[in-house]
Amino acid sequence: QLQLQESGPGLVKPSETLSLTCTVSGGSVSSSSYYWGWIRQPPGKGLEWIGSIYYSGSTYYNPSLKSRVTISVDTSKNQFSLKLSSVTAADTAVYYCARWGVLFWFDPWGQGTLVTVSS
Amino acid sequence: EIVLTQSPGTLSLSPGERATLSCRASQSVTSSYLAWYQQKPGQAPRLLIYGASSRATGIPDRFSGSGSGTDFTLTISRLEPEDFAIYYCQHYGGSPPLTFGGGTKVEIK
Repeated sequence: QLQLQESGPGLVKPSETLSLTCTVSGGSVSSSSYYWGWIRQPPGKGLEWIGSIYYSGSTYYNPSLKSRVTISVDTSKNQFSLKLSSVTAADTAVYYCARWGVLFWFDPWGQGTLVTVSS
Repeated sequence: EIVLTQSPGTLSLSPGERATLSCRASQSVTSSYLAWYQQKPGQAPRLLIYGASSRATGIPDRFSGSGSGTDFTLTISRLEPEDFAIYYCQHYGGSPPLTFGGGTKVEIK
């Protein structure tokens, strides 16, 4: 059974870089059938797609975040990662990683990790 | 950018009733790329419907999706206590951005 788990600091200072890793178990990030994605949800608000990556390194980013986002993949560790630079309080959210299917649905999702931006 | 507008914002119903949730796109979209998710408090979203009308693995048949063009519907035929949650639609048209609707909360009346 495919499972995803986010990890990383729960507190980041303003202007610094948020870094998260998603570890995939029960499957491979090198699968040619899927992409992998990051989605976030500010407290009490809706879902926002951040971006997605293929095992080859091809990426798709939300234009609203593109200038600050880098998503990478490490096939040797079966992980993919998110970096978001120059964070502000508006970047406080639960960050989810998920598998991105061929018809562009997300399933399954990780449990999510809350990242708070505060000094 | 395609904007997905969900209505109503909140739906107050009793267990056993039928729920009809709407997702309207700002322009015609490909049905194949329209999905619905359920999210309960403190949990990650769960895929319910993909391709506008196909149930994901393990999803009960009381959940159904329909629609085409700009108008899509998620129907829960008879609400069970565990169905009270927030529901989101989502679409990706092949180029960024991928968008989510704002969500519909189904609450117990």
